[in-house]
Amino acid sequence: EPEVTQTPSHQVTQMGQEVILRCVPISNHLYFYWYRQILGQKVEFLVSFYNNEISEKSEIFDDQFSVERPDGSNFTLKIRSTKLEDSAMYFCASSEVRMRDTEAFFGQGTRLTVV
Amino acid sequence: GDSVTQMEGPVTLSEEAFLTINCTYTATGYPSLFWYVQYPGEGLQLLLKATKADDKGSNKGFEATYRKETTSFHLEKGSVQVSDSAVYFCALSDLVGGSEKLVFGKGMKLTVNP
Repeated sequence: EPEVTQTPSHQVTQMGQEVILRCVPISNHLYFYWYRQILGQKVEFLVSFYNNEISEKSEIFDDQFSVERPDGSNFTLKIRSTKLEDSAMYFCASSEVRMRDTEAFFGQGTRLTVV
Repeated sequence: GDSVTQMEGPVTLSEEAFLTINCTYTATGYPSLFWYVQYPGEGLQLLLKATKADDKGSNKGFEATYRKETTSFHLEKGSVQVSDSAVYFCALSDLVGGSEKLVFGKGMKLTVNP
């Protein structure tokens, strides 16, 4: 069964460092997403990506964040200068059409710890 | 803005017990409603959904009915199994303003003991 894969499963980084979280969406999907969940809080939307551009982003997704689909298979989330409050579980997701109208497939998550 | 409130747990049940996980929502428009489940070590998976009032979503013995009058979408299962141990997320998607994102609740961890 096709699945979304995320690497690494756990990343520890020093405050101020750049991190790149990687995701391989399902191959025929067209919509890609990043969500995050701070421990004990809700799963929060960060950004959606379609047709090689950002289609929607949340207030959380400020200039420190960027996304890229560099080679047609990977979908990455970059945090330029990490802060302690960026510590969270980050989920990548993909869907054939927009998430409202179909099942979205999520990866198992990357736990980011900023120290 | 739109939001989802659900029972937080954690909840521990014995096998064959009845399960209810409450979920209520606030939305500007007319949202679609979802339950996602996350089994240990895996990503979130769609469990069921409903797109309009009085629709009932069902899957794997789980059911939820879209109640517009009470803005609720409670998840139920008559007899849980050990394999139902997971985290359950209620979510909505509201097209108002062209948004297509899912808005999630906090999730509720369920443990089912044999």
